[in-house]
Amino acid sequence: EVQLVESGGGLGQPGGSLRLSCAASGFIFSKYSMNWARQAPGKGLEWISYISSSGATKYYADSVKGRFTVSRDNAKNSLYLQMDSLRAVDTAIYFCANSGFDFWGQGTLVTVSS
Amino acid sequence: DIQLTQSPSSLSASVGDRVTITCRASQGISNSLAWLQQKPGKAPKSLIFGSSRLQSGVPSKFSGSGSGTDFTLTISSLQPEDFATYYCLQYNTYPFTFGPGTTVGIK
Repeated sequence: EVQLVESGGGLGQPGGSLRLSCAASGFIFSKYSMNWARQAPGKGLEWISYISSSGATKYYADSVKGRFTVSRDNAKNSLYLQMDSLRAVDTAIYFCANSGFDFWGQGTLVTVSS
Repeated sequence: DIQLTQSPSSLSASVGDRVTITCRASQGISNSLAWLQQKPGKAPKSLIFGSSRLQSGVPSKFSGSGSGTDFTLTISSLQPEDFATYYCLQYNTYPFTFGPGTTVGIK
């Protein structure tokens, strides 16, 4: 059974940093590209980042470009999102999803507030 | 960036009704469109990919069609478990984009 489990959310300070993780199981993680998406409270979904299976290719939404960095460790079946220079508008539930958006994690809540 | 619009933004329907939701892209995306269902407090669930291909385990009451810029999701006979918000997603061009969502409520 495919499982994606996010962790690392919580309260972040404006201008501060948080690192999210996504633990994958039930499929050959190293063969699949992955995505991060988010959903602000009461709002719709927003795609924010993509990483290829090898980690060599990365894409970002303009809203996070230059502040967020996606990475992965295929040996640990894990996906990461380093979030720097946090802003209040980054407050959202963050989801990881596989390449085709077939499978999603349950999400982790990030709240940016002083 | 490719913009997706959905119509209607919300609708009220009865159990057994046939429901159609449309998604329009600001430029052609071939058939690189998915439909997702989201219930309150839950992660999105993929229903359809490639515009018309049903995800494994998704009931056949859901169907999708379209190519280029105009797409539709149809629920042939609405059931209580189908009341949710539905999003389209284009994955043809980065940045990927979601539609604003269509909330299907109970009449």
